[in-house]
Amino acid sequence: DAGVTQSPTHLIKTRGQQVTLRCSPISGHKSVSWYQQVLGQGPQFIFQYYEKEERGRGNFPDRFSARQFPNYSSELNVNALLLGDSALYLCASSFRQGDNEKLFFGSGTQLSVL
Amino acid sequence: AQSVSQHNHHVILSEAASLELGCNYSYGGTVNLFWYVQYPGQHLQLLLKYFSGDPLVKGIKGFEAEFIKSKFSFNLRKPSVQWSDTAEYFCAVNTGGFKTIFGAGTRLFVKA
Repeated sequence: DAGVTQSPTHLIKTRGQQVTLRCSPISGHKSVSWYQQVLGQGPQFIFQYYEKEERGRGNFPDRFSARQFPNYSSELNVNALLLGDSALYLCASSFRQGDNEKLFFGSGTQLSVL
Repeated sequence: AQSVSQHNHHVILSEAASLELGCNYSYGGTVNLFWYVQYPGQHLQLLLKYFSGDPLVKGIKGFEAEFIKSKFSFNLRKPSVQWSDTAEYFCAVNTGGFKTIFGAGTRLFVKA
């Protein structure tokens, strides 16, 4: 079975540009979460989408936005890139069962902002 | 605010040594607890989880963790590590909502 797939794997942008990252969840999973992992830190929660609706948002500025499509794939958009946005962006899918939720992660998109 | 604290950022052990990685969380209610592992060049994957029941949980590759509610802890253990256990280990907490909170991670290096 295919796992969570993310594209692209690496991306280089300059300050002020916009970027779109893509994620395809595991088949049958309806929830997609986005995390930012800065070097030396653990993943930080950005968004969760479930059934195409935003279910939660972390402490990130409005420059960060996301959406989920009818096939449950998702895009993360970041506008007006800053140097500090350089990080590994992880997508995780889950099949929510009550309050018990385990995440299946993709390999991530490494974003470098110059 | 909810948080997860991992005591050690870097651990170096020789093969066959015992391992214990500390994890504490700050939340007074019901929690779901996880340990994730990231092997070099691979994606994050679930090592073990605690939702309810027996506070001693066993995961893959001989790892186990014990949930001690009174100490808000969920320490990871392995009696005898192998070189292939070299990886970064993340403790994580979900309080029943949409957000899973991760610790900063512990990098384990096992010397052959």
